[in-house]
Amino acid sequence: GDSVTQMEGPVTLSEEAFLTINCTYTATGYPSLFWYVQYPGEGLQLLLKATKADDKGSNKGFEATYRKETTSFHLEKGSVQVSDSAVYFCALQGAQKLVFGQGTRLTINP
Amino acid sequence: EAGVAQSPRYKIIEKRQSVAFWCNPISGHATLYWYQQILGQGPKLLIQFQNNGVVDDSQLPKDRFSAERLKGVDSTLKIQPAKLEDSAVYLCASRKMEGLSAQYFGPGTRLTVL
Repeated sequence: GDSVTQMEGPVTLSEEAFLTINCTYTATGYPSLFWYVQYPGEGLQLLLKATKADDKGSNKGFEATYRKETTSFHLEKGSVQVSDSAVYFCALQGAQKLVFGQGTRLTINP
Repeated sequence: EAGVAQSPRYKIIEKRQSVAFWCNPISGHATLYWYQQILGQGPKLLIQFQNNGVVDDSQLPKDRFSAERLKGVDSTLKIQPAKLEDSAVYLCASRKMEGLSAQYFGPGTRLTVL
């Protein structure tokens, strides 16, 4: 079945550092790919999405490119801020079901 | 556009009691989902509705969990009787039926079973 694997956390960076959170997937067909962010005590918020190969999703300085050849959707940001501290989930939408990775906790220190 | 609404935000009960959660999806979203998120894990789908019909309830523990979506809008998830391992955040999400649209999540209900 469909599955998503994220890099294990937690990840701790200093403010203004470069961020990469790796995500790879296994799926049949042509899924849509998403990154969701969960701030402490809140629900999941859609951060960005890509619906086909080579699409780049971007929002709030975050980017991710749908790479079909490597089955990856890595999340990147050039300069992180303390306010980016949260848990990040990579997910794929198959025919009906949204499948999540296990989440990566990111902490940014000032 | 209003987001997905859920209530209550927090609930504490003792084991063997019953509890119910309510969700109001984004207007016009035909598909509604309930997820269980245990601390430190990703959300796990419990049940999916399309309008007022169940599409997938394969991971719903039907001996104690039930859900309904009367009139194809609001939904209620019930647990009866609750167990300690039901302590989790219960998330509701909704999605437009057509196209490759994303799911949008509510703030969740944090359930603690003592």
